[in-house]
Amino acid sequence: DAKTTQPPSMDCAEGRAANLPCNHSTISGNEYVYWYRQIHSQGPQYIIHGLKNNETNEMASLIITEDRKSSTLILPHATLRDTAVYYCIVRVGDYKLSFGAGTTVTVRA
Amino acid sequence: DAGITQSPRHKVTETGTPVTLRCHQTENHRYMYWYRQDPGHGLRLIHYSYGVKDTDKGEVSDGYSVSRSKTEDFLLTLESATSSQTSVYFCAIALAGDEQFFGPGTRLTVL
Repeated sequence: DAKTTQPPSMDCAEGRAANLPCNHSTISGNEYVYWYRQIHSQGPQYIIHGLKNNETNEMASLIITEDRKSSTLILPHATLRDTAVYYCIVRVGDYKLSFGAGTTVTVRA
Repeated sequence: DAGITQSPRHKVTETGTPVTLRCHQTENHRYMYWYRQDPGHGLRLIHYSYGVKDTDKGEVSDGYSVSRSKTEDFLLTLESATSSQTSVYFCAIALAGDEQFFGPGTRLTVL
């Protein structure tokens, strides 16, 4: 699986958009980008995934660059409950995920 | 909602003793996974299963074995627990659309 690089931490103001970057410069053409988050002590929670088109669901938007070497997860209106560790994962279709250290996002009032 | 239960939720044991963790799902999903998580790290895959009696190793499988004799149960066994296996263990299932759904976790302490 392609490796990903994320900043170790970031802060965000409540009510503002949170933009979480991820670099995956060695991604292959058939590898998907997945985002999960983990709120303290809980199991990870799926957020969104995409291959090359931008995606949006009720939780977030995923913007993938045209060359697919990086992506950005956007939380449109961050709340205190969005404080969590966010993981960017790249994988091929064998159902296995490889988690890195992720980005610790702290939403401040 | 996908239903996953893990048992026990907390366990303290001694070095050298066998330990079995159970993951139970209620919806007949084919793929099941065991991960471990240590402080400051993301999750690491131990073993996974793609059907009854069909299992394969993940990236940190040494010291662990698994069994899946029926669709709903995936067991993780530490044959002889060591202190390095103190961790939080998460079970997961793969839902339709490739999303993995995680259980609540089991906190294991090996003294």
